[in-house]
Amino acid sequence: AQKVTQAQTEISVVEKEDVTLDCVYETRDTTYYLFWYKQPPSGELVFLIRRNSFDEQNEISGRYSWNFQKSTSSFNFTITASQVVDSAVYFCALRGPETSGSRLTFGEGTQLTVNP
Amino acid sequence: EPEVTQTPSHQVTQMGQEVILRCVPISNHLYFYWYRQILGQKVEFLVSFYNNEISEKSEIFDDQFSVERPDGSNFTLKIRSTKLEDSAMYFCASSTGGYTEAFFGQGTRLTVV
Repeated sequence: AQKVTQAQTEISVVEKEDVTLDCVYETRDTTYYLFWYKQPPSGELVFLIRRNSFDEQNEISGRYSWNFQKSTSSFNFTITASQVVDSAVYFCALRGPETSGSRLTFGEGTQLTVNP
Repeated sequence: EPEVTQTPSHQVTQMGQEVILRCVPISNHLYFYWYRQILGQKVEFLVSFYNNEISEKSEIFDDQFSVERPDGSNFTLKIRSTKLEDSAMYFCASSTGGYTEAFFGQGTRLTVV
């Protein structure tokens, strides 16, 4: 069975602070895919990143960076110099290999509030 | 930029009524999904659809639910006899492959009264 844990229910920061959102996953698959999605107050789910289990390179995209550590089954997300527009719920999600179906298993989400 | 579109954005229905939620996936995508999110909770998988048939479904997706791709563009979720606990945001999503990122629509908020 697959499981995603986002232990931080809510985080509140002041604008320009850096913030890291934690994600820990459980899976028996050797091939799997990890994702982050953003859900702003308007409610839609916005895809941010996909990472394959065989690619442990960290990734940076502007103010966003992701740290994938297979040894600790973690896929953490850091926002540098946070802005008010970053306020949203952020979901980490896991998908198994193509042979095991294509469902995404989501974590509970972390509500990030960035205050001016 | 191509996007998944869902209609209606909000639907209120009486308990026991049938509802159909509609979605237009991204045109070159092959995999289609429905997820739901009860208010304040996490997003839960309902069903995936590929090659004109259900490829996977969750335990939530019981006989009250059905999906259809009636033509080349629409993808629908039908709830046959709605219950109060069906009240949730329903998201349609699509992807090019079974392991690639899924792109979500803006959701349909279903309220059962």
